[in-house]
Amino acid sequence: DIQMTQSPSSLSASVGDRVTITCRASQSISTSLNWYQQRPGKAPKLLIYAASSLQSGVPSRFSGGESGTDFTLTISSLQPEDFATYYCQQSYAVPYTFGQGTKLEIK
Amino acid sequence: QLQLQESGPGLVKPSETLSLTCSVFGGSISSSDYYWDWIRQPPGKGLEWIGDMRYGGSPYYSPSLKSRVTISMDTAKDQFSLKLTSVTAADTAVYYCARHPRGSTYFDPWGQGILVTVSS
Repeated sequence: DIQMTQSPSSLSASVGDRVTITCRASQSISTSLNWYQQRPGKAPKLLIYAASSLQSGVPSRFSGGESGTDFTLTISSLQPEDFATYYCQQSYAVPYTFGQGTKLEIK
Repeated sequence: QLQLQESGPGLVKPSETLSLTCSVFGGSISSSDYYWDWIRQPPGKGLEWIGDMRYGGSPYYSPSLKSRVTISMDTAKDQFSLKLTSVTAADTAVYYCARHPRGSTYFDPWGQGILVTVSS
């Protein structure tokens, strides 16, 4: 299985901050990487697919990037509704696997 | 707008079979353009893909669960189902159904999820 490792596991930030979450794949996965946001008690919500494509309806402050097997999710200016847990997911090979999650908390 | 909704028992006894159904509203599962997925999340933990199925295709299962999982479709009702046999406490989780397009495995939309507890 392809292992996905996110860092950090948790992050404290303030409204208006710029934050970046990183996801590293255990092998090459091309750009087959997706990002989700999950609020407490809710289902995950797709934010970014194919490493850098913004899902329809998602604010433009979210962006994705990639460099080799390292992928990033950047939120340019944190809003109160962005405090949640974020997951990456590889779609390169079955079984599709997720990172362990990054919990973004209010400082 | 496509919506998915999980249903089934919230409590299953150890060694028994977990059975869940996902109902699809606002669309049809009888399209070869999409796969229909099951994903689970133990309380306080991360996400685990269980398997998927496409109309006219064969199901794919996670190797870690393959011996216990069956995914099937009922096109007449626009529903797909999950069966997981010989459950233990480790199978306690919120179970989600979701969809992904053929050729691009991103999950969207998702159902609201259903908590299944394995306990005697």
